[in-house]
Amino acid sequence: GAGVSQSPSNKVTEKGKDVELRCDPISGHTALYWYRQRLGQGLEFLIYFQGNSAPDKSGLPSDRFSAERTGESVSTLTIQRTQQEDSAVYLCASSARLRATETQYFGPGTRLLVL
Amino acid sequence: GQQLNQSPQSMFIQEGEDVSMNCTSSSIFNTWLWYKQDPGEGPVLLIALYKAGELTSNGRLTAQFGITRKDSFLNISASIPSDVGIYFCAGQPVGNMLTFGGGTRLMVKP
Repeated sequence: GAGVSQSPSNKVTEKGKDVELRCDPISGHTALYWYRQRLGQGLEFLIYFQGNSAPDKSGLPSDRFSAERTGESVSTLTIQRTQQEDSAVYLCASSARLRATETQYFGPGTRLLVL
Repeated sequence: GQQLNQSPQSMFIQEGEDVSMNCTSSSIFNTWLWYKQDPGEGPVLLIALYKAGELTSNGRLTAQFGITRKDSFLNISASIPSDVGIYFCAGQPVGNMLTFGGGTRLMVKP
């Protein structure tokens, strides 16, 4: 079956522009997560969605970052007025449920470069 | 937020050598996970640990959940070239989301 997919795979943008990143989770997975990975660093949690519950936005670094999810399907992460420090790989993961014992399956990531 | 200290940050391996890396935290974790990330891809789960003291193997990989619940190690025996990559530990404190370590980059000795 299909894994987690993300698009675009690479994005180059100019400082100040808005970008939208997309994640298609594994079908049937109710939990969806976004992470940021800066060059040579570990994964930094941004936000998660669980079913129809209110998302946990505690990891979003600023109000320029927002995310939406339609039901239990596609999610988009939007970064407004991009800054150079936003350059990173943005990884999406999904799991069957929001539980510690549920494996998170990661997508290949979107590499964002802000010039 | 929570911080995991993962070491070493990088290491060179020669084919056939055993490799060891570990993670420590100041907080108690309920779950320890080890992931591997290859270039251009997302992390892939290698081993999951759910009980203090648990020792789990997956082929040549062995990981343990420390009895204090504040640390974990991953061993790779008889390394092969395809072991090269970045290994991440991840832990989940009680009631909180996964926190990732900074990664251990495994490279082949020239």
